[in-house]
Amino acid sequence: IAGITQAPTSQILAAGRRMTLRCTQDMRHNAMYWYRQDLGLGLRLIHYSNTAGTTGKGEVPDGYSVSRANTDDFPLTLASAVPSQTSVYFCASSDSPSGEGGEQFFGPGTRLTVL
Amino acid sequence: GQNIDQPTEMTATEGAIVQINCTYQTSGFNGLFWYQQHAGEAPTFLSYNVLDGLEEKGRFSSFLSRSKGYSYLLLKELQMKDSASYLCAVVDSNYQLIWGAGTKLIIKP
Repeated sequence: IAGITQAPTSQILAAGRRMTLRCTQDMRHNAMYWYRQDLGLGLRLIHYSNTAGTTGKGEVPDGYSVSRANTDDFPLTLASAVPSQTSVYFCASSDSPSGEGGEQFFGPGTRLTVL
Repeated sequence: GQNIDQPTEMTATEGAIVQINCTYQTSGFNGLFWYQQHAGEAPTFLSYNVLDGLEEKGRFSSFLSRSKGYSYLLLKELQMKDSASYLCAVVDSNYQLIWGAGTKLIIKP
């Protein structure tokens, strides 16, 4: 089934621990994105990748890192989790850039709680 | 700074029409998206406007006025399944999406 998947679905993590959220798409989309969504706030871009081998910082990149070794995978790593990183994390992909009207397809999300 | 304003919550009746407004102040403008998000689910694409005017797609229409920094999403013949949050997002001068906080739409029978 074509689409975008994320793992895990949810996770409770102790502060200070390292955590990698996984994201895989099989649509051969060039661009991929990581967002966090917090109650009362809009989606906020953490990092993005316009194509395999390149990444860029979004609005709230501190405490997070990404890599894009191939087209399909775009993992997000929290090096040392803090409670303020408690959020719902969405991965998304698009065939063309947003500025060209490129629709973003979202994964189901990962609900992360840092204690 | 960049700002996208939408009402936090709206209530409408099944079968009726509702208009959800979005005003924006961003560094540049390269298009505006509307997404639908049901509770506990991922956002899904509804519409994209880059030129002024109305785009119609079935029961949903989206309008854009770039000079006023204003858009609205119009939902007709409301159904219970339309209960969801509606997210407005603007593509800024860096071609990044800036998202509003969303409007929660409650449909009553």
